[in-house]
Amino acid sequence: GQNIDQPTEMTATEGAIVQINCTYQTSGFNGLFWYQQHAGEAPTFLSYNVLDGLEEKGRFSSFLSRSKGYSYLLLKELQMKDSASYLCAVRDSNYQLIWGAGTKLIIKP
Amino acid sequence: IAGITQAPTSQILAAGRRMTLRCTQDMRHNAMYWYRQDLGLGLRLIHYSNTAGTTGKGEVPDGYSVSRANTDDFPLTLASAVPSQTSVYFCASSYTRQGADTQYFGPGTRLTVL
Repeated sequence: GQNIDQPTEMTATEGAIVQINCTYQTSGFNGLFWYQQHAGEAPTFLSYNVLDGLEEKGRFSSFLSRSKGYSYLLLKELQMKDSASYLCAVRDSNYQLIWGAGTKLIIKP
Repeated sequence: IAGITQAPTSQILAAGRRMTLRCTQDMRHNAMYWYRQDLGLGLRLIHYSNTAGTTGKGEVPDGYSVSRANTDDFPLTLASAVPSQTSVYFCASSYTRQGADTQYFGPGTRLTVL
């Protein structure tokens, strides 16, 4: 079966750096997405990786290793507004997105 | 309209009733999707449409039907609601289903079936 694993919850301090890991086992691979979802709201796009390596976008970076079935989202200079769930999703061989259950990130002052 | 809208925002429904969740996008996206989101589970695809006039089944299609008569609208119908269909339903759209095309989500419909 297809599986996306992420930690259920993480806690970090305002101003710090946090890394959210995602491991996947899917039938085929056509890209990996990270989305942010604030409580009670819709998911919004953060980043996309299809080749190995690091993609940087402001305070957020995302890394992919296809051989290891592994990605991480790195958030720097954490702000209180970064408190949200972070969803990892992989596009499989049928071009469907398979979603992880999400990591709830709690930021403390 | 800017983006994707969904209606209703929330609904409480008696088991056995028929219900249609509405979704409209104004981005001229070809592909549209319906997901359900339950606590502790990832988003699960119910149905999708690659383009107007076509639909396909996702991971959890049983008990749901969709239609895509035009580019903008993608309604989801529950023919006879059951309590296990209590969930938050998100409609999404993207230009295509390939490459880096991002899915944009509507605000969601919170459905409770009693």
